[in-house]
Amino acid sequence: GNSVTQMEGPVTLSEEAFLTINCTYTATGYPSLFWYVQYPGEGLQLLLKATKADDKGSNKGFEATYRKETTSFHLEKGSVQVSDSAVYFCALRRGNFNKFYFGSGTKLNVKP
Amino acid sequence: EAGVTQFPSHSVIEKGQTVTLRCDPISGHDNLYWYRRVMGKEIKFLLHFVKESKQDESGMPNNRFLAERTGGTYSTLKVQPAELEDSGVYFCASSQDANTEAFFGQGTRLTVV
Repeated sequence: GNSVTQMEGPVTLSEEAFLTINCTYTATGYPSLFWYVQYPGEGLQLLLKATKADDKGSNKGFEATYRKETTSFHLEKGSVQVSDSAVYFCALRRGNFNKFYFGSGTKLNVKP
Repeated sequence: EAGVTQFPSHSVIEKGQTVTLRCDPISGHDNLYWYRRVMGKEIKFLLHFVKESKQDESGMPNNRFLAERTGGTYSTLKVQPAELEDSGVYFCASSQDANTEAFFGQGTRLTVV
């Protein structure tokens, strides 16, 4: 079946620290991979995506590379800010419909 | 332009009662999706509308859940009767086409006591 596993939180970092949130997936075929972010009081927002192996998605200083050999899509940022505090969800989509399989979310707290 | 809007933002009901959640998609978006996150776990797909038709309702947990999208605009998700395990956050999303970016609402937090 299709599933996503991501590291449990919460993750607490100091401002300007390096961030990694691990995400691995199980899927048949060749899924597209996504990171969504939910800031406090807001809905889910697309952060970045990658549609094929070795693609790198990037946005707002965040990056993730689609690794088919390790079935992973880890989220990284070189220097986090307090404003990055949010819940991050890794997700996959198979086929051409917006039917996502999400992970359980990782809450990030960034302290000044 | 308004985003995806969900009503209410919070709802607390007693077990056995009925609750109706509403979603207003972005204007012009034919595709509408319902998802839910239970107990801080993963967000799970419930169903997908294309206009007023149910394209995929494979994620609906049981027949206590009824989703409608009359006229192909807003959608409602009714839970009747509600059970404790229905508590969670219900998200709605919409997209112009089935494979273009999906925009999510803020969610409705449902608590069944």
